[in-house]
Amino acid sequence: DQQVKQNSPSLSVQEGRISILNCDYTNSMFDYFLWYKKYPAEGPTFLISISSIKDKNEDGRFTVFLNKSAKHLSLHIVPSQPGDSAVYFCAASRGTASKLTFGTGTRLQVTL
Amino acid sequence: DGGITQSPKYLFRKEGQNVTLSCEQNLNHDAMYWYRQDPGQGLRLIYYSQIVNDFQKGDIAEGYSVSREKKESFPLTVTSAQKNPTAFYLCASSHNSPLHFGNGTRLTVT
Repeated sequence: DQQVKQNSPSLSVQEGRISILNCDYTNSMFDYFLWYKKYPAEGPTFLISISSIKDKNEDGRFTVFLNKSAKHLSLHIVPSQPGDSAVYFCAASRGTASKLTFGTGTRLQVTL
Repeated sequence: DGGITQSPKYLFRKEGQNVTLSCEQNLNHDAMYWYRQDPGQGLRLIYYSQIVNDFQKGDIAEGYSVSREKKESFPLTVTSAQKNPTAFYLCASSHNSPLHFGNGTRLTVT
């Protein structure tokens, strides 16, 4: 049972444009959501998070939006840069100090 | 320079052999985790430990075992009972913070 879903396996965006990565979850007990970025043969690195008490969190070029009623979150990257090309994982947990459930990832390619 | 060290980066074993993957952290984090990554399946939780001498099964614990004798170390043993052991294994730690990951061990069993 996939509790966190990323339905787009891949996404291609031109440099300078906006990248929008989507994530859906089914477990209404999740109240903390994170995005990780992963390069091949490396561990994921934390990008940005959001608590369920918020609907938006921004950090530089990265913004995460949370729609609790739709059980949907999205990561916006603007402007996209070639170095953003990686696999992005959405993750969710019950509380900030709990184990994470990950989505299947979306491979983002930023083209010149 | 704090971090998580997973060794070796690549590991090859014959089918039927047990193998232990190392994970050491110097971040003074209480909690440690083992995840497995397979193509198209994201990261799946194998085992986790929130304090020394205690650990819990994750979603796919069958065929694996762990120990947590020291705060800094959380080794994972892939036993011969694990039906599909070939994968990329990731260790992580946290302390009231987002998980911090090591760079993984790619295990190939033939």
